[in-house]
Amino acid sequence: GEDVEQSLFLSVREGDSSVINCTYTDSSSTYLYWYKQEPGAGLQLLTYIFSNMDMKQDQRLTVLLNKKDKHLSLRIADTQTGDSAIYFCAERMDSSYKLIFGSGTRLLVRP
Amino acid sequence: DVKVTQSSRYLVKRTGEKVFLECVQDMDHENMFWYRQDPGLGLRLIYFSYDVKMKEKGDIPEGYSVSREKKERFSLILESASTNQTSMYLCASIIGRGNTEAFFGQGTRLTVV
Repeated sequence: GEDVEQSLFLSVREGDSSVINCTYTDSSSTYLYWYKQEPGAGLQLLTYIFSNMDMKQDQRLTVLLNKKDKHLSLRIADTQTGDSAIYFCAERMDSSYKLIFGSGTRLLVRP
Repeated sequence: DVKVTQSSRYLVKRTGEKVFLECVQDMDHENMFWYRQDPGLGLRLIYFSYDVKMKEKGDIPEGYSVSREKKERFSLILESASTNQTSMYLCASIIGRGNTEAFFGQGTRLTVV
């Protein structure tokens, strides 16, 4: 079955690194995504990774994928107050355009 | 600049009313989606459409219907609104080829009283 799980809350100090974790159950997932939702706004794609990759880096963002454990993480280096938002992990199979979302992790960055 | 526009940011409706939520995209995308977002539950798919007049049920279609008469517009209909349909509703669209980004509208916060 399809299920994506995330912890609900993470608090870090400004300048520290943040690591947001996600687990998924469907091993046939082809694409895995991280979306960001700022207060009062829709979701914006931050980054994505193909299931045949282990890591992807994009400026301050690093995505790690452990296919064996079905574990995805998003690391934000030098976290800023503007990074405070809800972060959603999502998966999609190649055969479908349907996105399965996790519950979202609320990141709070303290000054 | 790509755009998915939802007709209302906030709506307050009475129990039993018929409610229409409209979504328009200007990117010529084939696929459009309606999600509802509730605290601790993330985004749950209500319905999606992969072409004009085509629709498929998502994970929680009960109490909802949809209409896609034109490619750019995807409407979510609550036939008889109930208080448990109070939620944030998000529309999204994806182009029909390859792995591409899903673009989201700003959301409609619906309160049913």
